[in-house]
Amino acid sequence: GAGVSQSPSNKVTEKGKDVELRCDPISGHTALYWYRQSLGQGLEFLIYFQGNSAPDKSGLPSDRFSAERTGGSVSTLTIQRTQQEDSAVYLCASSSGQGTPLHFGNGTRLTVT
Amino acid sequence: AQSVTQPDIHITVSEGASLELRCNYSYGATPYLFWYVQSPGQGLQLLLKYFSGDTLVQGIKGFEAEFKRSQSSFNLRKPSVHWSDAAEYFCAVQGPGGYSGGGADGLTFGKGTHLIIQP
Repeated sequence: GAGVSQSPSNKVTEKGKDVELRCDPISGHTALYWYRQSLGQGLEFLIYFQGNSAPDKSGLPSDRFSAERTGGSVSTLTIQRTQQEDSAVYLCASSSGQGTPLHFGNGTRLTVT
Repeated sequence: AQSVTQPDIHITVSEGASLELRCNYSYGATPYLFWYVQSPGQGLQLLLKYFSGDTLVQGIKGFEAEFKRSQSSFNLRKPSVHWSDAAEYFCAVQGPGGYSGGGADGLTFGKGTHLIIQP
């Protein structure tokens, strides 16, 4: 596609439920990043993929968070047993490699009630 | 570890006036530098980037930024703002050679500056 696509654009879930957020990067982009944007907190790095492997998971806030990438393309961020503090906008970005700019999707706004 | 400081959380500017958004970074060498803009409900759009060479960088939408090594700054400027420029602006740095692994993320972002345009 022309840009990074994220779905759903909005997700409302009840506390304790699991959610899956999807990111479809720009075709051919090998690097994929997930960030979390909370009100007034800027962008918080979550995880980075190079191809299908994730050399850096250091930003995942707890073991309730996991992510995978298949076929060097689509990535899924899964949050288990959601908590209210998980409410945020989750942004995905991709790039064509080292030293190249990141291209961002429009994000998924997650609200945990 | 690299870090980015955007000292102004909010800035209000009159339409047609000039704009400067401040960005200071901390890094052991000269990083790659970026400015992104985020409109409400949207993702981040790249305005401009600095990798090397000319320290004055031109971007989209009439924006420019100047890299000053001695001040570790990369301030964003626009001579005359338009109401459509109202948005959140993020400065970001990336180590030369891009992602460096070992716990470092691809980009380190500042906390953003919220730009308000007065009619």
